Amino acid sequence: SAVISQKPSRDICQRGTSLTIQCQVDSQVTMMFWYRQQPGQSLTLIATANQGSEATYESGFVIDKFPISRPNLTFSTLTVSNMSPEDSSIYLCSVNGFYGYTFGSGTRLTVV
Amino acid sequence: DAKTTQPNSMESNEEEPVHLPCNHSTISGTDYIHWYRQLPSQGPEYVIHGLTSNVNNRMASLAIAEDRKSSTLILHRATLRDAAVYYCILRDRVTGGGADGLTFGKGTHLIIQP
Repeated sequence: SAVISQKPSRDICQRGTSLTIQCQVDSQVTMMFWYRQQPGQSLTLIATANQGSEATYESGFVIDKFPISRPNLTFSTLTVSNMSPEDSSIYLCSVNGFYGYTFGSGTRLTVV
Repeated sequence: DAKTTQPNSMESNEEEPVHLPCNHSTISGTDYIHWYRQLPSQGPEYVIHGLTSNVNNRMASLAIAEDRKSSTLILHRATLRDAAVYYCILRDRVTGGGADGLTFGKGTHLIIQP
């Protein structure tokens, strides 16, 4: 299965600023997925990123708040914009493959 | 995707078998049953999947009821490293492919006592 490298692993950010999270995959994949996991909660899908087209966002998530880039078949970024303490969560990227979905280890974001 | 119901938490002793139940009474005929687990401070990882027949792999076994309205993930000999949140997820396709992500429920928090 694919290996995913996600950066940064954690960060503490000031409210009103933005953070860009990077996701690098060791093989070419069509779709990349971004999730949010709020404290003590399960994972919620934010958006699906397909190379060469705009990301598709789930209900409750908008591009202005979570812009996504997908410049090639092995890389994607998620930006959390104009952060507030409510954005404190773990953000994970994922790809699907023959043996199921593979996830990065996540970015633990704390907004102060 | 159809809804699944799992106990919030379960506790077991190390080196004993663990049976994690999942109810999915509204499962459709084309839904596959997938299990993922999330170890502390890690992303979820694939465990096993099945459609109708029981399945075994190196990590676990999946027992599926004859009417498919429930399933059980079996860890044959739990270790401390198996302490995780286990998610039962229905999808209308096998593992690979597809343009949609996974829909996670709350899962079962498995606690292993030494």
